[in-house]
Formats: sequence, structure tokens, C-alpha cells
Amino acid sequence: AQSVTQLGSHVSVSEGALVLLRCNYSSSVPPYLFWYVQYPNQGLQLLLKYTTGATLVKGINGFEAEFKKSETSFHLTKPSAHMSDAAEYFCAVSVIYNQGGKLIFGQGTELSVKP
Amino acid sequence: GAGVSQSPSNKVTEKGKDVELRCDPISGHTALYWYRQSLGQGLEFLIYFQGNSAPDKSGLPSDRFSAERTGGSVSTLTIQRTQQEDSAVYLCASSPSGLGNTIYFGEGSWLTVV
Repeated sequence: AQSVTQLGSHVSVSEGALVLLRCNYSSSVPPYLFWYVQYPNQGLQLLLKYTTGATLVKGINGFEAEFKKSETSFHLTKPSAHMSDAAEYFCAVSVIYNQGGKLIFGQGTELSVKP
Repeated sequence: GAGVSQSPSNKVTEKGKDVELRCDPISGHTALYWYRQSLGQGLEFLIYFQGNSAPDKSGLPSDRFSAERTGGSVSTLTIQRTQQEDSAVYLCASSPSGLGNTIYFGEGSWLTVV
């Protein structure tokens, strides 16, 4: 069965510092992987996704993630944090069935950005 | 519409009452999902629709929860005899049919049971 583990429920960085949010997945088939962001009192917004092809995926707001099959990881990075990046981030794996797929989410990582 | 629309955005109800939460998916999206987000519980899958049928209801927490979808569009999640532990944000999402397609989320319905 597919599952997702996000290491660290809270991550705090200084403005301008590197952001690294960790995600490991478990899947018996090639996975489709997603990162979503949730700003306070809002719904989830897609940051980026990996389906096939290039393993380094670029998303919105300067974020990117690299699919590493050997490590079963899909860590999210951003070279320089901005105050507006403070939010909760969710990694998800797609369970593929019935002409579509549902998302299985990790527990989320809350990112704080200090001035 | 431009995005997934949910109503009401906020609902306060008394314990034991029934509530209905509505979801209007993006036009043309055949897949529709309901998730629940509780403090400390993360995002919990409830039910998945493909068209009007629900091939996966495995996430519904009890028989007090039910959902339907009509016309391949609007969906309603009904919670009967609400309990305090039902307090959560209920998120609806939709996507086009097909593998790897992006799932788009609504803003959620915040339910408080008092």
C-alpha cells in the first residue's frame, strides 16, 4: 500500500535561507508524487508534481523537488526563503485506480520563516 | 466555474443535528473527492466519485456519514446525528479523469459541533 512520511512537523528557517522539506514515500508501483501548500484559512494549492520524465521538477514560487527512486524520496527545496512562504506543506502520493487516482497525504510540515 | 466551490464556508451546529455540505466541482471534472482535515490528524480521505458512482467509500468514518453526486457534478456530504469529534474542515476536490492529473481543492467547509 502507498504511504507518505514527512520528516518534521515543524521547520523554521531564516529569511533568505535554504528551505528543505523532507518527504519519503512507499509505493509498489512507480508513483505519482505531489507537493501542496496550504496558507492559513485557505484550501490546498498545488506547488508541483512528478509523474514521468525529468526527475527534477520545478513548481511555483521558486520551489522545486527531485524524485529519487533509489531513496524513495521527493524532498522539496527552495534556495532562499521568503516571509510569504510561511505555510503548511503537504507531500502526497497518488494511488492509481478506477480511471483516476486519489491522493494519500503525509502529515504535513509547518514552515515558519523568521525575519 | 473557475474553481471548486464549497458551501457553507462555516457551519456551527448542535450535537445530534444533521448537516449537509455541498461541493461544486470544476466543470468537466469527472473525479470528485472528499477529505477531512482535523487538528493533529492531517488530511483524511473520505470518499471518491467517478461520475455519479463511488468506487471507494473506504474512508467514511461511520454510517452517519454519506455522500452522493448527481449529474456527474454537484456532490453533497451528509453527516447525521453530528458529534463533537466531527468538528473539522471538510475539503472537496476534483480532477479530470486519467492518471497523474492534478487534483484541485476547494477552500473547505469548516464544521463546528457544539
